[in-house]
Amino acid sequence: NAGVTQTPKFQVLKTGQSMTLQCAQDMNHNSMYWYRQDPGMGLRLIYYSASEGTTDKGEVPNGYNVSRLNKREFSLRLESAAPSQTSVYFCASSPTLQGNYGYTFGSGTRLTVV
Amino acid sequence: GDSVTQMEGPVTLSEEAFLTINCTYTATGYPSLFWYVQYPGEGLQLLLKATKADDKGSNKGFEATYRKETTSFHLEKGSVQVSDSAVYFCALAYDKVIFGPGTSLSVIP
Repeated sequence: NAGVTQTPKFQVLKTGQSMTLQCAQDMNHNSMYWYRQDPGMGLRLIYYSASEGTTDKGEVPNGYNVSRLNKREFSLRLESAAPSQTSVYFCASSPTLQGNYGYTFGSGTRLTVV
Repeated sequence: GDSVTQMEGPVTLSEEAFLTINCTYTATGYPSLFWYVQYPGEGLQLLLKATKADDKGSNKGFEATYRKETTSFHLEKGSVQVSDSAVYFCALAYDKVIFGPGTSLSVIP
């Protein structure tokens, strides 16, 4: 099925551990995004990649790094996890950076940091 | 800056009731407008969109009309079902995408 695939779906980390969230899309989209969703906070943009080879900070980049590995893949890394990073993480892709064709979202990674 | 405002939830309706979820926006240019739906435990899905004034987006019985004069894009459905229970997000796209806070809808049998 065409779309955005995120792995893993669930993860529990201890404070200070590191991990990488994987995202891949097969729609030949240029732009990719990482959001976090927290109760009462809506969707907040962490990082985005306008096109292969470029990445930029969003609203809440602290504590995260990203890699646009190729046109298909965009990973999010937590170097030293903190309880404040407990959240649901969504990857999205779009043909254009402006998002005027709409986003396609993955099904999310539910991360708990203890 | 650009922004999206949605009606506060949660909204609870009986099956077959009429649904309206209000959405208004502020934008410096002429954005495209969207409604996304998020079912429990899933990611957001694009429900419908409109790209210019007076356009009507529609999908799965839901409709929304781009009203430039009132800067609104209200979501409507004539007869909701239990399966429509979800969180609905209004969004605009101009030089970037801005999401509203979401409105939770529960439909009871």
